[in-house]
Amino acid sequence: RKEVEQDPGPFNVPEGATVAFNCTYSNSASQSFFWYRQDCRKEPKLLMSVYSSGNEDGRFTAQLNRASQYISLLIRDSKLSDSATYLCVVNFGPGNTPLVFGKGTRLSVIA
Amino acid sequence: DVKVTQSSRYLVKRTGEKVFLECVQDMDHENMFWYRQDPGLGLRLIYFSYDVKMKEKGDIPEGYSVSREKKERFSLILESASTNQTSMYLCASSLPSTSGSPVRHFGPGTRLLVL
Repeated sequence: RKEVEQDPGPFNVPEGATVAFNCTYSNSASQSFFWYRQDCRKEPKLLMSVYSSGNEDGRFTAQLNRASQYISLLIRDSKLSDSATYLCVVNFGPGNTPLVFGKGTRLSVIA
Repeated sequence: DVKVTQSSRYLVKRTGEKVFLECVQDMDHENMFWYRQDPGLGLRLIYFSYDVKMKEKGDIPEGYSVSREKKERFSLILESASTNQTSMYLCASSLPSTSGSPVRHFGPGTRLLVL
């Protein structure tokens, strides 16, 4: 089975806080990993890919632990505009295998 | 920048009606997908297509069919709409996995209400 599990939240954090989301996936042969962001009543948009060595994009850091089959997203110095649902996405691959989306973790950043 | 458009943002239909949801992408992507998104259930794949006239069932194809007559257009058809098909429908496109990262580009979604 191809499953992606996330804590649904909501995570309510004050501005400036650091918040971390985890995600677990079911298949150790999974090929690639992503975090998407979805604003209320909007479509999901790619936030960042997740690389084996970990990667950073400004205030966002993504990490992958293949041995434990989990992915994390760390947001530092949270802004009000970070309020959204964050979707963990896995390509169980190979080839043209459809992506599998987690149900998302909702984040509310409070002033 | 990839643009995926969907024919309607909001749609209200009656039970038993035939419903067409259209999706068009302008980036010459081979792959196109239809998802529905419901609270607590996340994104679920209905159908996908890797090329013109090709289609594959996703996780929840029952009650739906699709058509891909042109590369840029992927249509979702509800043959006889039912109230349990009330949902947000999202279309997406991507390059083939062999071309690199299989990133999905989503359309803005269609909120369908079946009465």
